[in-house]
Amino acid sequence: AQSVAQPEDQVNVAEGNPLTVKCTYSVSGNPYLFWYVQYPNRGLQFLLKYITGDNLVKGSYGFEAEFNKSQTSFHLKKPSALVSDSALYFCAVRDPSGNDYKLSFGAGTTVTVRA
Amino acid sequence: NAGVMQNPRHLVRRRGQEARLRCSPMKGHSHVYWYRQLPEEGLKFMVYLQKENIIDESGMPKERFSAEFPKEGPSILRIQQVVRGDSAAYFCASSQDGGGTDTQYFGPGTRLTVL
Repeated sequence: AQSVAQPEDQVNVAEGNPLTVKCTYSVSGNPYLFWYVQYPNRGLQFLLKYITGDNLVKGSYGFEAEFNKSQTSFHLKKPSALVSDSALYFCAVRDPSGNDYKLSFGAGTTVTVRA
Repeated sequence: NAGVMQNPRHLVRRRGQEARLRCSPMKGHSHVYWYRQLPEEGLKFMVYLQKENIIDESGMPKERFSAEFPKEGPSILRIQQVVRGDSAAYFCASSQDGGGTDTQYFGPGTRLTVL
């Protein structure tokens, strides 16, 4: 079975500071990993994904994520946070060794960036 | 290029009524997924459909819930005899080929409230 954990319910940072949102995963094989962002009363917007290759993945809005196989982690990062980055962030995993179309989501991390 | 469309955005039903949620995938996408987001929780997979076929409905409650994706028209998620516990946000996603590396793009969701 595949699963994702987002250990922090909330992350608070000051504008201009680095932002990190943590994610760890559990799958039987090599994972496909995704990050989505949800603004209030909106759907999920795709940020980035890791399939294979370079462990550092760059995505939309200046976000990047680093895949770490030994730590089974896929943390989302942004070097300099903006107030407009305040939103709910979801990590998701897909296990290609099973029914590989189904995404399993973490519970989400609420990011608040203060001016 | 229009994204995934869902309607209605908000739906209010009384207990015992039927709720019908519609999803039009992105242009060129023939794979549709439905997820449910309960308050304070992440998204949970419900069903995966291709045109005229249900591929995986393992996340669907056994009773009262059904889904279809006809040859023509949107995908429909139908909930019969709604109960208060059905109140949630229902998200539809679509992808181009359904493969493991494929990205699922989400609609804005339908927020169902059962009175």
